[in-house]
Amino acid sequence: AQKITQTQPGMFVQEKEAVTLDCTYDTSDPSYGLFWYKQPSSGEMIFLIYQGSYDQQNATEGRYSLNFQKARKSANLVISASQLGDSAMYFCAMSPPQGAQKLVFGQGTRLTINP
Amino acid sequence: DVKVTQSSRYLVKRTGEKVFLECVQDMDHENMFWYRQDPGLGLRLIYFSYDVKMKEKGDIPEGYSVSREKKERFSLILESASTNQTSMYLCASSPARTGGRVVAKNIQYFGAGTRLSVL
Repeated sequence: AQKITQTQPGMFVQEKEAVTLDCTYDTSDPSYGLFWYKQPSSGEMIFLIYQGSYDQQNATEGRYSLNFQKARKSANLVISASQLGDSAMYFCAMSPPQGAQKLVFGQGTRLTINP
Repeated sequence: DVKVTQSSRYLVKRTGEKVFLECVQDMDHENMFWYRQDPGLGLRLIYFSYDVKMKEKGDIPEGYSVSREKKERFSLILESASTNQTSMYLCASSPARTGGRVVAKNIQYFGAGTRLSVL
């Protein structure tokens, strides 16, 4: 069975600093996808970034990058130059290679950006 | 833009009531999902559907049922609400997975959630 672990329940960062949110995963499948979602206080889950297990390069989307270390089974989210609007819950998730692309989510990390 | 709409943002029900949570998506997605979100537990899958009238149990289906009579609409039903079903409920949709060995970038799009309180 697949499992996602986020070990940081909460993080506090100064505005404009870079922040790394940790995510480790466990799977026996060689093919899988990794996702990061952001959930502001409004409640809606917003897709941020995706990494496929066979992708050769780390994914980047604007200020977001995914530090993918396959051998260590980690997929950390890096946010550069943090902004006040980055304060939110962040979830790491994994999808299996088969089926309807169910997502398995981690427990989430609450990120607070201080001015 | 993809839009997933959940019928209620907040809902208060009494123990034993039958509760319907409605979800509608406008992107002609094949897959639809219902998750439950609780603090410290993340999101857990209740049920999902990959086609009209098709459904599969997720990780925590007990106490819930679903209905998908039309492609755009996926309903979650609490047959007899209990206090331990007080939670945030999130609906999501995604397109059908394309074939191949490599996992497709199959993004799930979420609604704003329904915060259900069962008293």
